Amino acid sequence: QVLLQESGPGLVKPSETLSLTCTVSGGSISTYCWSWVRQPPGKGLEWIGYVYDSGSTNYNPSLKSRLTISVDTSKNQFSLRLTSVTAADTAVYYCARSRTGRNFFDPWGQGNLVTVSS
Amino acid sequence: EVVLTQSPDFQSVTPKQKVTITCRASQNIGTSLHWYQQKPDQSPKLLIKYASQSMSGVPSRFSGGGSGTDFTLTVNSLEAEDAATYYCHQSSFLPMTFGQGTRLDIK
Repeated sequence: QVLLQESGPGLVKPSETLSLTCTVSGGSISTYCWSWVRQPPGKGLEWIGYVYDSGSTNYNPSLKSRLTISVDTSKNQFSLRLTSVTAADTAVYYCARSRTGRNFFDPWGQGNLVTVSS
Repeated sequence: EVVLTQSPDFQSVTPKQKVTITCRASQNIGTSLHWYQQKPDQSPKLLIKYASQSMSGVPSRFSGGGSGTDFTLTVNSLEAEDAATYYCHQSSFLPMTFGQGTRLDIK
């Protein structure tokens, strides 16, 4: 059974960079596509972007200018980096797996709440 | 981007009742529409993929249907454990998008 676990700081200052890592266990990161999805407190879900094991990426245009998603197959991990954060970036950040870039998400990680505040 | 509009936003229902949630897409997405259940303080769980294919382990009272722009998630004979927020998600076009969610409250 594949498990995903997000890790990273829970508090980031405005204008700084948010960095999160998702560790995949119970299976290989290869041959799948790996996404980040976020959910502001009390609100709905927003797809952030994905990365393939090859390193190929696709980003939501709303975040593209500030976003980098990368993969480290040797560690079975992929990462998110979001620059110049504001309070609007406060959310639970989930990592999730899909078979291809345009596909359903299953499974999901448990989520990592990131608060942007000074 | 494809806008998904769910209705209703909220519904309070009694056990054993049948409920139908609709998801309307702003353009034709074929059957690339998936449904998730999210309980408080939990991550979303995939219930239905490609409009009507139930995931393994999901109770048979959950079913999905539709194609093109109009989709439904039906829960027959609701149980207390079905209290959650339900989201639709389209994967036909990038960026992928979600509906705003429908919260089901069980009386």
